[in-house]
Amino acid sequence: DTEVTQTPKHLVMGMTNKKSLKCEQHMGHRAMYWYKQKAKKPPELMFVYSYEKLSINESVPSRFSPECPNSSLLNLHLHALQPEDSALYLCASSQDSGPNTEAFFGQGTRLTVV
Amino acid sequence: QKEVEQDPGPLSVPEGAIVSLNCTYSNSAFQYFMWYRQYSRKGPELLMYTYSSGNKEDGRFTAQVDKSSKYISLFIRDSQPSDSATYLCAMKSGGGADGLTFGKGTHLIIQP
Repeated sequence: DTEVTQTPKHLVMGMTNKKSLKCEQHMGHRAMYWYKQKAKKPPELMFVYSYEKLSINESVPSRFSPECPNSSLLNLHLHALQPEDSALYLCASSQDSGPNTEAFFGQGTRLTVV
Repeated sequence: QKEVEQDPGPLSVPEGAIVSLNCTYSNSAFQYFMWYRQYSRKGPELLMYTYSSGNKEDGRFTAQVDKSSKYISLFIRDSQPSDSATYLCAMKSGGGADGLTFGKGTHLIIQP
């Protein structure tokens, strides 16, 4: 089973709202990732968690706040977003964050900020 | 110059044709190479993963890596309309913890 589950599938939020995206995997993977994908563009790395610790933050604005409560779960807390933050947010996981591991993606959360 | 170059297409071929998709890269640190298929409004699906120069085959798919030329390819045999999607190459360096660096993706259309 190579499944990464993301909820919700779609989310519409206002610029003053607070919402959270959730990601779950049960493959025993110890690295989890958040990517952002705009239309007709490739995914762009936002955050990397390795063994539940944040190891990479690609200069993402503080209105995006990641959290890794345990090895199976990854959250992305959203606050005071801008319309340009509308995108497909993808979660991925891999066995670990080392180089020789495949990454598996979820189906994404399509976020619209109004 | 971007680290990974990939022609966005669209690439349109008739059903049954052999499809060749390619990426070039400039960063010698990239050692691990993946191909993903992404249908519209869905997450990327891992098709092939390889880390050595040469060919790797899986069903109708063959991944080819030439590290000396910094060039990777994905071949699809007996292409089907269901193969119509965007194909993303992705790469990872050989050291440290990092995410994937993607090409722009090639939009492939298989005509019935």
